[in-house]
Amino acid sequence: EVQLVESGGSLVQPGGSLRLSCAASGFTFSTYWMHWVRQAPGKGLVWVSRINSDGRTTTYADSVKGRFTISRDNAKNTLYLQMNSLRAEDTAVYYCARPDYGFDYWGQGTLVTVSS
Amino acid sequence: EIVLTQSPGTLSLSPGERATLSCRASQSVGGTYLAWYQHKAGQAPRLLIYGASSRATGIPDRFSGSGAGTDFTLTISRLEPEDFAVYYCQQYGTSPRTFGQGTKLDIK
Repeated sequence: EVQLVESGGSLVQPGGSLRLSCAASGFTFSTYWMHWVRQAPGKGLVWVSRINSDGRTTTYADSVKGRFTISRDNAKNTLYLQMNSLRAEDTAVYYCARPDYGFDYWGQGTLVTVSS
Repeated sequence: EIVLTQSPGTLSLSPGERATLSCRASQSVGGTYLAWYQHKAGQAPRLLIYGASSRATGIPDRFSGSGAGTDFTLTISRLEPEDFAVYYCQQYGTSPRTFGQGTKLDIK
């Protein structure tokens, strides 16, 4: 059974940093691109970032470029999102998602709250 | 980037009725690289339709998708109580993948 489990979300002050993790199981993680998607309170889904299967190619939404870094450890079947210089507008539930004709599997999400 | 506009913003219907949701793209979505998701509060989004018209695994046949190019439609033939949720379209033919703003389907 495919599972994606996010962790690492918490309350952080503006300007702070946080690292999210997404533990994958039930499929050959190392062969898939992976993505992060977020949903701010009361808002819709927004794509954040993606990484290719070997970790060498990454892409970011303009809103997070230069502040967020996506990475992966294929030996640990884990996807990461390092978030620096956090802003109030980064407050959201962050989902990791597997792309296969759309996003066929999603995690349950982890909540990041940026507030003083 | 491709902007997806969904309409209506909110759709109020009763169980048993037919729901028609629209998604319009600002430019052609490379082929039929269009997906639909159902999202309920506190849950992970659920893939319903990919390739504009193919149902994902385990999705009931009351859900159907159609369209190509810039205009797409999700139809739910007879609404069940569990279908009341927010629905998003997403294009995955061009980077960055973008979502529509969502259509909330609520009980009348």
